[in-house]
Amino acid sequence: QKEVEQDPGPLSVPEGAIVSLNCTYSNSAFQYFMWYRQYSRKGPELLMYTYSSGNKEDGRFTAQVDKSSKYISLFIRDSQPSDSATYLCAMSKGGTSYGKLTFGQGTILTVHP
Amino acid sequence: DGGITQSPKYLFRKEGQNVTLSCEQNLNHDAMYWYRQDPGQGLRLIYYSQIVNDFQKGDIAEGYSVSREKKESFPLTVTSAQKNPTAFYLCASTSRGTMNTEAFFGQGTRLTVV
Repeated sequence: QKEVEQDPGPLSVPEGAIVSLNCTYSNSAFQYFMWYRQYSRKGPELLMYTYSSGNKEDGRFTAQVDKSSKYISLFIRDSQPSDSATYLCAMSKGGTSYGKLTFGQGTILTVHP
Repeated sequence: DGGITQSPKYLFRKEGQNVTLSCEQNLNHDAMYWYRQDPGQGLRLIYYSQIVNDFQKGDIAEGYSVSREKKESFPLTVTSAQKNPTAFYLCASTSRGTMNTEAFFGQGTRLTVV
């Protein structure tokens, strides 16, 4: 069983929809939670970064972490065609393991006009 | 502009050949990482280095080697012992602070065995 599981999708939604992306994990040592966006044939870029449980909002994006359930989510409001990409969740234990990220498989999202 | 530069963008390797992927960063980051990405599998850690002249194996190090002679550079060699090297390779770097684990990625090298 993988340490981090991510709904593989693919996910196709109309423009303006609310998108929900999710990951579950099994290792309670994870402390830092991230969402990366990756366009085709490009490197991932950081979208959201959260430490421990709670919510974080940045524009149209909201990240939620529930450590008790070992579950994280990314919500995209008013989705746009430019949001079409692969979304990767990633986690880190922090401390001396900083920067060593464990990734989910990625969810391919398509937002059609 | 600060960032991570990977080269080449595309690389073709013949069976039995060693190839080296370049990764350079000018972010003054201490730590650097190599990940491999295969379709449907996310990113998997190959090697990482937290300081010059030191590096550690990640989850899938077999068939790969690295060096860290300079802070700015972390080249990855894919050896002939790597049985399935065709993949997208990503280099990343982070600062050393324990609270900030944001990883910055390069644009990747796509390696194909011919």
